[in-house]
Amino acid sequence: GAGVSQSPSNKVTEKGKDVELRCDPISGHTALYWYRQSLGQGLEFLIYFQGNSAPDKSGLPSDRFSAERTGGSVSTLTIQRTQQEDSAVYLCASSFGTSDYEQYFGPGTRLTVT
Amino acid sequence: AQSVTQLGSHVSVSEGALVLLRCNYSSSVPPYLFWYVQYPNQGLQLLLKYTSAATLVKGINGFEAEFKKSETSFHLTKPSAHMSDAAEYFCAVIFGTYKYIFGTGTRLKVLA
Repeated sequence: GAGVSQSPSNKVTEKGKDVELRCDPISGHTALYWYRQSLGQGLEFLIYFQGNSAPDKSGLPSDRFSAERTGGSVSTLTIQRTQQEDSAVYLCASSFGTSDYEQYFGPGTRLTVT
Repeated sequence: AQSVTQLGSHVSVSEGALVLLRCNYSSSVPPYLFWYVQYPNQGLQLLLKYTSAATLVKGINGFEAEFKKSETSFHLTKPSAHMSDAAEYFCAVIFGTYKYIFGTGTRLKVLA
């Protein structure tokens, strides 16, 4: 079956521009997560959705970062006024439930801010 | 604070040799534990998970891990390394209900 998909796979943007990253979770998965993977920082949790609501946004690094999820499915991570330190791979994951349900990861979006 | 530690950011083994990747966690409550593998330019793929059933967990590609509560460890092993095992491996722990805390990763190199 189809896994988690993310688009674009690569994004190069100029400092100060806004970017939108998209995630299509596995059908039927109610939980959705965003992570950031960068050199020297490892994998960082950004935000968690249960359905369309985000009970935990604690990992978003600044108010330039926001995310939404519509229809309990697709999610968009938006970064406003991008900075060079935003350069990283942004990974999306989904799971059928929480606790012992494993998360399934997409291939990621590699963001480069020049 | 809850944390996950992977000892050794880089591990090299010869093809056919034992693979041992270490993971320790700190928590007063046994968490759920996972090992993921990441091949270059790909997302993370689940190798195995521990969810309070059997302490020795078998995963895909011949990997297994043993949960040792007394040592707060969940080390990943494979009896015989293959060239295709070269990748980065992440230990992850769920504290609570949903938030993964990842280790910093161990890059495995397999020498011919």
